[in-house]
Amino acid sequence: QIQLVQSGAEVKEPGSSVRVSCKASGGSFRSYAIRWVRQAPGQGLEWMGRIIPVLGIENNARKFNDRFAITADKFTSTAYMDLNNLRSDDTATYYCAVGDYNDFRFDYWGQGTLITVSS
Amino acid sequence: QSALTQPASVSGSPGQSITISCTGTNYDVGAYEYVSWYQQYPGKAPKLIIYDVDNRPSGVSGRFSGSKSGTTASLTVSGLQAEDEADYYCSSYTSSSTYVFGTGTRVSVL
Repeated sequence: QIQLVQSGAEVKEPGSSVRVSCKASGGSFRSYAIRWVRQAPGQGLEWMGRIIPVLGIENNARKFNDRFAITADKFTSTAYMDLNNLRSDDTATYYCAVGDYNDFRFDYWGQGTLITVSS
Repeated sequence: QSALTQPASVSGSPGQSITISCTGTNYDVGAYEYVSWYQQYPGKAPKLIIYDVDNRPSGVSGRFSGSKSGTTASLTVSGLQAEDEADYYCSSYTSSSTYVFGTGTRVSVL
């Protein structure tokens, strides 16, 4: 059974950057696709992007342009999400979700990380 | 990429069946058999309940079933129970190699 543990909640100022980590255990990190999804307070789910480390593939939702990046460290089985130039509407709970890279679903989810952007 | 369209809320009495629709386009729902459904309780992470249109992961109740016709996918919950009261989201792979979620549906058990 795959378990995902994310880093803790943070409060950030507008214009700053945030990094959220997602550590996986109980499975083969090598075969994963790691996806990031966010949910603003009281709102729906929003797909942000994915990385498939074994294939070297990364793609993001167009709306984030160059503000968003995903990286993965296969040695520590940890994925990272970096979001730059934070705005108030980036306030949300950020989830990592993984599944086999040959599949098109989000099998396992982290517990979520609340990022609050406020001055 | 616009969100897939779901009804904001659906309700039913215990034991009844309800169906949640998820309408997309020929670039997502209509293009692939890669529609999945997620159940989310308040303050919790989503949970996969249906994948590839009509498949259930191990451990998910057989009361949940999925289908698709054209650009609309559907989730049916049979024998509605109090524990089914939650938010439900559909998701589809898209022709841009991205994913899109539905707007979400709040299910209430009367």
